[in-house]
Amino acid sequence: VQLVQSGAEVKKPGESLRISCKGSGYSFSSYWISWVRQMPGKGLEWMGKIDPSDSYTNSSPSFQGHVTISVDKSISTAYLQWSSLKASDTAMYYCARTIAARRGPVDYWGQGTLVTVSS
Amino acid sequence: QSVLTQPPSASGTPGQRVTISCSGSSSDIGTNYVYWYQQLPGTAPKLLIYRNNQRPSGVPDRFSGSKSGTSASLAISGLRSEDEADYYCAAWDDSLTSWVFGGGTKLTVL
Repeated sequence: VQLVQSGAEVKKPGESLRISCKGSGYSFSSYWISWVRQMPGKGLEWMGKIDPSDSYTNSSPSFQGHVTISVDKSISTAYLQWSSLKASDTAMYYCARTIAARRGPVDYWGQGTLVTVSS
Repeated sequence: QSVLTQPPSASGTPGQRVTISCSGSSSDIGTNYVYWYQQLPGTAPKLLIYRNNQRPSGVPDRFSGSKSGTSASLAISGLRSEDEADYYCAAWDDSLTSWVFGGGTKLTVL
């Protein structure tokens, strides 16, 4: 199982951004993909998850409306997108394979994408 | 502030046994499985314990998990220098319909 994320990004406040996560070594549509935020020096925060088979999403109330989770199952890739970044979005973002069930946990993690938002 | 409560730090000497606690509520730990993740410095987290007390293949049996009511614990026996890492507990929260994590415990091997 491998989850390979896109590279580090440096953006200005107000800019848009999409980061990616490509899965391999397993049946991509048989597992959900979660996104997890880790702010500098802080703990893990689950943002939401998506079912690649039908693009159904389940998001944390804390992140709903601020980010968009999407997927292109034809290329085994999930995305996390912002339309207008804030300085407070500066963080490491991890994608993670998630067991396909309502309470399905994360088992494998990507290497992380560092997003820096600064004017 | 994290939904699940962990001590911010723990420490032990090589060979010792240490435990890390994780406290929650009836909507998370009280009704759902607990998972533990290990995050070595500068790396992505790794699944350490699943379904309260199960170890994925490759995880040494020095690591064990338990759960009672709305609390859970991770125990590490025969402490080694390479165990120095951040440890996070996690559980599904039925009220939030979200995964919730503890704030993490930084383990130092003295």
